[in-house]
Amino acid sequence: EVQLLESGGGLVQPGGSLRLSCVASGFTFSSYAMHWVRQAPGKGLEWISGISGTGGSTYYADSVKGRITISRDNSKNTLYLRMSSLRVEYSAVYYCAKGLAATPQYYAVDVWGQGTTVTVSS
Amino acid sequence: QSLLTQPPSASETPGQRVTISCSGSSPNIGSNTVNWYQQFPGTAPKLLIYNNNQRPSGVPDRFSGSKSGTSASLAISGLQSEDEADYYCAAWDDSLKGWLFGGGTMLTVL
Repeated sequence: EVQLLESGGGLVQPGGSLRLSCVASGFTFSSYAMHWVRQAPGKGLEWISGISGTGGSTYYADSVKGRITISRDNSKNTLYLRMSSLRVEYSAVYYCAKGLAATPQYYAVDVWGQGTTVTVSS
Repeated sequence: QSLLTQPPSASETPGQRVTISCSGSSPNIGSNTVNWYQQFPGTAPKLLIYNNNQRPSGVPDRFSGSKSGTSASLAISGLQSEDEADYYCAAWDDSLKGWLFGGGTMLTVL
């Protein structure tokens, strides 16, 4: 069974930093692109970043470019999201998600984690 | 405001058919396939339709998708109370080099 388990969320002050992790199991991790999608309270889904299976290609939404870094460690079956200079509006549930192919482009996300909540507040 | 436009809400009675639209533009829906996700409150989204009209294993054939030009639609036939959820369309955007989600449609089964 494919499973994605996020961790690392919590309360952080504006301007602070945070690293989210997502441990994958049940599939050949390095063969698939991975993504981060967030959802602010009461709002819709927002894709923020994707990374290819090898980690060689990364993509970011304009709204977060320069403030987040996506990475992966295929030896540990783990996806990361490093966030810095956090703003109040970054408060959301952050979902880790698996792509249907090795490239993050074009192919749908087919499996989602349960999400980890990030709250940016003073 | 999302670049993929969905109606914020839709409603229909049990047993009937409902369609949810998703309007985009040339770099996204006009050039790439559309996917649809279903989300219940407090839970993670679930892939419902991919590549415009393909259903993942386990998704009932009551759910169908279509695309024409820069618009796409999700149809749900034989509506059931358990279909009450939020539905999102998504497509890759060649200009932005990123994924776009529609704003979501809250479906109410009357």
